[in-house]
Amino acid sequence: GQQLNQSPQSMFIQEGEDVSMNCTSSSIFNTWLWYKQDPGEGPVLLIALYKAGELTSNGRLTAQFGITRKDSFLNISASIPSDVGIYFCAGQLGDNFNKFYFGSGTKLNVKP
Amino acid sequence: KAGVTQTPRYLIKTRGQQVTLSCSPISGHRSVSWYQQTPGQGLQFLFEYFSETQRNKGNFPGRFSGRQFSNSRSEMNVSTLELGDSALYLCASSLDRRQYEQYFGPGTRLTVT
Repeated sequence: GQQLNQSPQSMFIQEGEDVSMNCTSSSIFNTWLWYKQDPGEGPVLLIALYKAGELTSNGRLTAQFGITRKDSFLNISASIPSDVGIYFCAGQLGDNFNKFYFGSGTKLNVKP
Repeated sequence: KAGVTQTPRYLIKTRGQQVTLSCSPISGHRSVSWYQQTPGQGLQFLFEYFSETQRNKGNFPGRFSGRQFSNSRSEMNVSTLELGDSALYLCASSLDRRQYEQYFGPGTRLTVT
């Protein structure tokens, strides 16, 4: 199956710092989604990207659809303790079907 | 608008048994996808249903099956449970009108003993 390489695997940062994570693949994707998952819960959609080069913000979160369509980036500015969780990227290959491939996740820890 | 709901939230079964999990999508959403999440394999796609038809399928054995009803509610079934089937099973729904944002339910935690 398709592989999405998500990095870093985990991060330990101080409250107030900015965070960056990314997903890369050898395949071209049509859609990128970014999710956050808390323990024991389902992933919550943060940002959806549909066009190469697209830059979208949701509060302190900003995500970009890479121009090669093979990667995507998520930035979190001025992190706070409630940002703790696992962040996943998901990419869609086809145009007509809801089949997404997920990265392995970035576990974010924020020290108050 | 109510979110995606899944029942039950927790389930304990014995090897060899079968199990049925249920998912109710967001009102108006017609596509329902199922995923298995484990610490070792991450989130893996099981299958997707649209208008009561399976439209996509992942690489899981035939013991995993599903269906969708006319009201878009979906069920997945796992027969002859194995220890390795212990996982969080997640359901996601989407509008499927060239907007493929998927919204997840809280999941069903299945433990096979």
